[in-house]
Amino acid sequence: NAGVTQTPKFRVLKTGQSMTLLCAQDMNHEYMYWYRQDPGMGLRLIHYSVGEGTTAKGEVPDGYNVSRLKKQNFLLGLESAAPSQTSVYFCASNVRAGAQLDRTDTQYFGPGTRLTVL
Amino acid sequence: AQTVTQSQPEMSVQEAETVTLSCTYDTSESDYYLFWYKQPPSRQMILVIRQEAYKQQNATENRFSVNFQKAAKSFSLKISDSQLGDAAMYFCASSTGGQNFVFGPGTRLSVLP
Repeated sequence: NAGVTQTPKFRVLKTGQSMTLLCAQDMNHEYMYWYRQDPGMGLRLIHYSVGEGTTAKGEVPDGYNVSRLKKQNFLLGLESAAPSQTSVYFCASNVRAGAQLDRTDTQYFGPGTRLTVL
Repeated sequence: AQTVTQSQPEMSVQEAETVTLSCTYDTSESDYYLFWYKQPPSRQMILVIRQEAYKQQNATENRFSVNFQKAAKSFSLKISDSQLGDAAMYFCASSTGGQNFVFGPGTRLSVLP
């Protein structure tokens, strides 16, 4: 199993450019998440999805959009990048399909994407 | 709403010694879970240990153990026989289920040879 993968690993954008980050998981997880990590602030939830075709806003959703067209993939889009979006982005997943909602289900993380917006 | 606080931005420990990282949390839920994650320079988030709030017994995983004080809402991580590979950022987190995961700001641990 590859677990949770993210592409790309690094990206540099100019202000106003757009891009999409891809997250894929092969653990048959229902829930997927996008976080951003900034120095001294831990991880903050951007958007999440509790199943294919569903998305919801997290703590810091402004400037981002997401889509979950396939269960194994969760896309994070930046339509018009801003320097404030310079950060490290993590994808995570949990809750196996078919299992009763299990609060012990640990979140499994991808390796992160370092995004710099100039 | 949940909150997680880690009051120690940085800590250091001598190799082979013991160090304790502090974490306090707040939640209105009676059923919740607590976690410690490690983030080495590779950036990968690695689960170190987790604790179910309904269990009184403190969780242990090899050299890692927790001191869970439910009434005080405290969840500290003890690392025994510290190794150079333990150097990392450590994040405390709480969860009340599914998407309700909240992380603290992290503690950077240095291990001195």
